[in-house]
Amino acid sequence: NAGVTQTPKFRVLKTGQSMTLLCAQDMNHEYMYWYRQDPGMGLRLIHYSVGEGTTAKGEVPDGYNVSRLKKQNFLLGLESAAPSQTSVYFCASSYKRTGGGYGYTFGSGTRLTVV
Amino acid sequence: GDSVTQMEGPVTLSEEAFLTINCTYTATGYPSLFWYVQYPGEGLQLLLKATKADDKGSNKGFEATYRKETTSFHLEKGSVQVSDSAVYFCALSNTGNQFYFGTGTSLTVIP
Repeated sequence: NAGVTQTPKFRVLKTGQSMTLLCAQDMNHEYMYWYRQDPGMGLRLIHYSVGEGTTAKGEVPDGYNVSRLKKQNFLLGLESAAPSQTSVYFCASSYKRTGGGYGYTFGSGTRLTVV
Repeated sequence: GDSVTQMEGPVTLSEEAFLTINCTYTATGYPSLFWYVQYPGEGLQLLLKATKADDKGSNKGFEATYRKETTSFHLEKGSVQVSDSAVYFCALSNTGNQFYFGTGTSLTVIP
């Protein structure tokens, strides 16, 4: 089915390790986003991209880097994982600016634990 | 800045009970308003939306009306089912490039 695919679904890291989360969409969406979801805090925007080759910081960008080398892929990197980065990470994409009333399509999430 | 406030949960209801989850917002201009639903172990799915004042969004028996005078977008369903158990998020989008989400309300429906 068309949509947003996130890999991996689960991962356990040791403090200081690095990893990359991959988000792929096949809907030709321009906009892509990375959120983290923590209990009692809803979803918080980490980084986003408004097109191939572009990235921008969201609400909580520290400790993360992103790249959008291809339109369909949006990568989220953790260079040196910390326990505070234990969370569920969601990728989302949209066709147009959100102010136009177009919703997001979300991936199923990556559950990351940093020990 | 823009923000969304929704009622805290968890909410537990018996099957066929009436559901209301309150959502109010703060925003300049004319935002679009959304309700998303997250089932256990899954990502968020768009449930319904409204893009201008007095619009009513509806889907799967759920409804919400965009009330600009009270800056609200409360979610309602007349008769909940066990399958409605999930976490519900209110959200808004404005002229920027992102959504603003509420903290989510967990609903459990018991038979």
